[in-house]
Amino acid sequence: EDKVVQSPLSLVVHEGDTVTLNCSYEVTNFRSLLWYKQEKKAPTFLFMLTSSGIEKKSGRLSSILDKKELFSILNITATQTGDSAVYLCAVEISNAGKSTFGDGTTLTVKP
Amino acid sequence: DVKVTQSSRYLVKRTGEKVFLECVQDMDHENMFWYRQDPGLGLRLIYFSYDVKMKEKGDIPEGYSVSREKKERFSLILESASTNQTSMYLCASGFPLLSRGHGYTFGSGTRLTVV
Repeated sequence: EDKVVQSPLSLVVHEGDTVTLNCSYEVTNFRSLLWYKQEKKAPTFLFMLTSSGIEKKSGRLSSILDKKELFSILNITATQTGDSAVYLCAVEISNAGKSTFGDGTTLTVKP
Repeated sequence: DVKVTQSSRYLVKRTGEKVFLECVQDMDHENMFWYRQDPGLGLRLIYFSYDVKMKEKGDIPEGYSVSREKKERFSLILESASTNQTSMYLCASGFPLLSRGHGYTFGSGTRLTVV
């Protein structure tokens, strides 16, 4: 059974802190790993990672994939209250046309 | 701006009713998905479709069916709603194998309460 595990489940930090969110996976036919941010409603796409060791970056957010150890991290530097959200990790399965999601990490950034 | 639109934001239905949740996308995506999201259980895939009139069961299809008569529209049907189907339902769409280097686009969700 394909599995995606995120840790921690929840995290509370103060503005300006740096956070690291973790995602590990066990799947039969890996194609890509994706990160999404979910505030009140629809998850929005952040990153797609397909190759090990290549960092994807967008502003204060960055992510990297390790296909040997089967995990990814999402880093957020200089956190702001607007970063408060649920961060979802998903793995796309190559021969199934679908993605398996983790349970998410709830990040709360306090002023 | 690309969109996935779900017909209702909130719905309250009675046990035993037949419920239709509609989803429309304007991005010409081949693949469409229905997920439900519950606290502590993450997103669980109910059904997905990779072409018109095609459907595949996801991880929790029991009690649900789907319809895809047109490329842009994917409907989720609860044949006889039950209280354990109270949940947030999210529709998503995307290109096959996410071939454009972009993840799914999600709708805003329908919060369904079955009483």
